[in-house]
Amino acid sequence: GAGVSQSPSNKVTEKGKDVELRCDPISGHTALYWYRQSLGQGLEFLIYFQGNSAPDKSGLPSDRFSAERTGGSVSTLTIQRTQQEDSAVYLCASSRDTYEQYFGPGTRLTVT
Amino acid sequence: AQSVTQLDSQVPVFEEAPVELRCNYSSSVSVYLFWYVQYPNQGLQLLLKYLSGSTLVKGINGFEAEFNKSQTSFHLRKPSVHISDTAEYFCAVSTGTASKLTFGTGTRLQVTL
Repeated sequence: GAGVSQSPSNKVTEKGKDVELRCDPISGHTALYWYRQSLGQGLEFLIYFQGNSAPDKSGLPSDRFSAERTGGSVSTLTIQRTQQEDSAVYLCASSRDTYEQYFGPGTRLTVT
Repeated sequence: AQSVTQLDSQVPVFEEAPVELRCNYSSSVSVYLFWYVQYPNQGLQLLLKYLSGSTLVKGINGFEAEFNKSQTSFHLRKPSVHISDTAEYFCAVSTGTASKLTFGTGTRLQVTL
């Protein structure tokens, strides 16, 4: 079946602009995670959704970052007033409440 | 809180040679352990996982890992590597279902002829 998909695959934006990153999880997966992968910080957890609620937002680095999930499916990660340190690959993963998380290919964000 | 240490940032190895990628963790609670592989410009793919039971776990592509509770280690091994195994390997821990993964910094495995 189809895996986790993310769009866009690449995004270049100017400093100060807002960006939206999208994640489509595997159908039927109730848990959804966002991670960030950067050279300086490695792989970091950002936020976890169970259904449409987010019981763990502890990894969001600042209030410029927000995320939502609708219909227990698609999730959008929004970064407002982007900064150069936001440049990274943003990875989404989904899970059917098991230990195994399935990852998407990521969105590479470059802030110029 | 839990943490994962991968001491080797890069491991060069010749094709058909054995390899071991090291992973150590620390946690105040029981953890579940994972190895993921990342090929260039791709997402993460699960190689294997330890949840409970036998401490030797086998995964895809001929990889295996052994959980050692006393040494808090979960080293990844393969008896004979192939060029196609060249990739970044990440060790990770979680504390339960629907729980975030905490990753190590990764080990770049470079296989050459």
